[in-house]
Amino acid sequence: QVQLVQSGAEVKKPGASVKVSCKAVGYTFTSYYMHWVRQAPGQGLEWMGIINPSGGSTSYAQKFQGRVTMTRDTSTSTVYMELSSLRSEDTAVYYCARPNDEYSSSFLGDYWGQGTLVTVSS
Amino acid sequence: QAVLTQPSSLSASPGASASLTCTLRSGINVGTYRIYWYQQKPGSPPRYLLRYKSDSDKQQGSGVPSRFSGSKDASANAGILFISGLQSEDEADYHCMIWHSSAWVFGGGTKLTVL
Repeated sequence: QVQLVQSGAEVKKPGASVKVSCKAVGYTFTSYYMHWVRQAPGQGLEWMGIINPSGGSTSYAQKFQGRVTMTRDTSTSTVYMELSSLRSEDTAVYYCARPNDEYSSSFLGDYWGQGTLVTVSS
Repeated sequence: QAVLTQPSSLSASPGASASLTCTLRSGINVGTYRIYWYQQKPGSPPRYLLRYKSDSDKQQGSGVPSRFSGSKDASANAGILFISGLQSEDEADYHCMIWHSSAWVFGGGTKLTVL
C-alpha cells in the first residue's frame, strides 16, 4: 500500500541547514507530485511548496523562497526538502504529503508522511 | 489580517452537532473557492475529510462518514464543516485550506472538544 516514510528527528543550530527525506512506497513515484507542509508546536499548518518528481520542477511558497530547496532521487523514489539559514522559528514538524490525483499539483490528499521534528536550538 | 480565520476552540456534547467555521478575509469571496477540511489528532498527520465549493462541486474523502459535511455561509463569507452525531473520536483539531494567490493557505485550526 501507499506509504510515505520520512527521515528521523533532527536538532540543528541557528544558521545551519537541514535536509529531510520522504521515501515513497507502493506507487509509481514519478506519477504524483509531492507537497511539503510544516507545523510549529501548538500551531497550524503551513504549506512550503511542491515538487514534481517526474521532471524535478518546483514551486515554493513566497515565504520560503531563497531558503528552501526541494529535490528528488528517482532511483530511490525519495524526495528531499532542504531548509537553510535555520532560526528558532523553524522548529516544527515537517510533513510530506501526496495529492490523490496523478500528474496534478492538486490538494494534499489521503497520503502523508509520519512527520519529522526539526528542532533549532543553540 | 490572515487569509483564513478559524475559532481557536469549540466544545460540544456527544450526540450533538457542531459547526466549525472558516472565515475568508474581506475582499476574498468564499463563493469562488473550494474549501478543504482536514482532521488532525495529537501526534498524527492530518487526515483529509472533504472539500466543498457548492452542492454540485464537492467531494467526500475516502472512508469519511457522511456525518461530516461541508457548506458555506455567503453572508459571513465563511466555509463551514458540519459534524452531526458527535462522537468522542471526533475530538481533534480541524484545519481548513484554500488555493489562493498560487499557494495553499491554511487557517489556524480549531480544537474541537467533545465532552
